[in-house]
Amino acid sequence: GAGVSQSPSNKVTEKGKDVELRCDPISGHTALYWYRQSLGQGLEFLIYFQGNSAPDKSGLPSDRFSAERTGGSVSTLTIQRTQQEDSAVYLCASTPPSGTEAFFGQGTRLTVV
Amino acid sequence: AQSVSQHNHHVILSEAASLELGCNYSYGGTVNLFWYVQYPGQHLQLLLKYFSGDPLVKGIKGFEAEFIKSKFSFNLRKPSVQWSDTAEYFCAVNDYKLSFGAGTTVTVRA
Repeated sequence: GAGVSQSPSNKVTEKGKDVELRCDPISGHTALYWYRQSLGQGLEFLIYFQGNSAPDKSGLPSDRFSAERTGGSVSTLTIQRTQQEDSAVYLCASTPPSGTEAFFGQGTRLTVV
Repeated sequence: AQSVSQHNHHVILSEAASLELGCNYSYGGTVNLFWYVQYPGQHLQLLLKYFSGDPLVKGIKGFEAEFIKSKFSFNLRKPSVQWSDTAEYFCAVNDYKLSFGAGTTVTVRA
């Protein structure tokens, strides 16, 4: 596609439920990032995929969070047993092999009620 | 990974005023530097970037940034802001991973 696509754009879930957030990066981009943006906060790094290398999971806030990237393309961020503090906008970005610029999706706004 | 510091959390200024936002990163080596902007209700977009060469880089909408290697800084400037520059601005550094600062909210009063 023309840009990074994220789905759903909005998700409301009950506390304790699991959610899956999807990211379709730009075709040919080798790196994919997930960030979290909470109200009034900056961009919190969650996880980074680069090609076939093992992902950098150092930003995942707890073991309730996991992510995978299938076939070097689409990525899914899974949050298990959601908590109210998980409410935020989850952003995905991809970069080309040259690493010149990160392109961001519109984000998924997650609300845990 | 790099730690990125943005000096101001919220800046309020009037139209036609000059703007400067500070950004420092934690250590040297080969880095790529970026400023991203997020207008209200919109996604993050690139304002300007520095990879090598002239340390003064020009971006879109009249913005520029200066890379000072000795100070590990990459400050953003605009000589005369407009109301439409109201947005959140993020500095980012990429050595092997893209790291962002906490962001600066800029409010321009008409």
